[in-house]
Amino acid sequence: DVKVTQSSRYLVKRTGEKVFLECVQDMDHENMFWYRQDPGLGLRLIYFSYDVKMKEKGDIPEGYSVSREKKERFSLILESASTNQTSMYLCASSSIYSGHEQYFGPGTRLTVT
Amino acid sequence: AQSVTQLDSQVPVFEEAPVELRCNYSSSVSVYLFWYVQYPNQGLQLLLKYLSGSTLVESINGFEAEFNKSQTSFHLRKPSVHISDTAEYFCAVTRLTGGGNKLTFGTGTQLKVEL
Repeated sequence: DVKVTQSSRYLVKRTGEKVFLECVQDMDHENMFWYRQDPGLGLRLIYFSYDVKMKEKGDIPEGYSVSREKKERFSLILESASTNQTSMYLCASSSIYSGHEQYFGPGTRLTVT
Repeated sequence: AQSVTQLDSQVPVFEEAPVELRCNYSSSVSVYLFWYVQYPNQGLQLLLKYLSGSTLVESINGFEAEFNKSQTSFHLRKPSVHISDTAEYFCAVTRLTGGGNKLTFGTGTQLKVEL
């Protein structure tokens, strides 16, 4: 089974802190994605990556950056956390051979105070 | 660009009753369609998908969805729901080509099954 793991299930940070959210997948998938999930808004794509060191902006990249130094790991960085970044963050991965199916991690609920 | 509309944010239903969760999409090109389910405190899991072939697709737990190109819909149905089906359901779409495996999600429908 594909497994996507996220470093924390719950995280509380203060405004202005630098925050790292880590995601690891174990199926050698080429594509990795970061979404945020908010009630009534569904999932919105923040950034995605097709390959190591490759990244592209999604629909809401402002205030975020990403890093993909190894194929299995995709990190989301909040350079200076703000209260409007309080949300559920979901990581996903997919293979270019799997018919666009994405596999999701359990999510990280981030609270910025 | 693609978009997905899930008209119902919440659907309450009694156990063993039928249910339909509605999904409409908009796209200028051909698409693949998906339904994902999110149980409480978990990530999303693929429920079913339409890539090609038969327009009626089924999941292992009794859900089915029918791709209707003329109505640009992909509604999810189950003839008899169980308490364990309580979850949030997301419809998603991606382009057949050139989409880079990116999915566009709807805003979700919370299915609440009651005794």
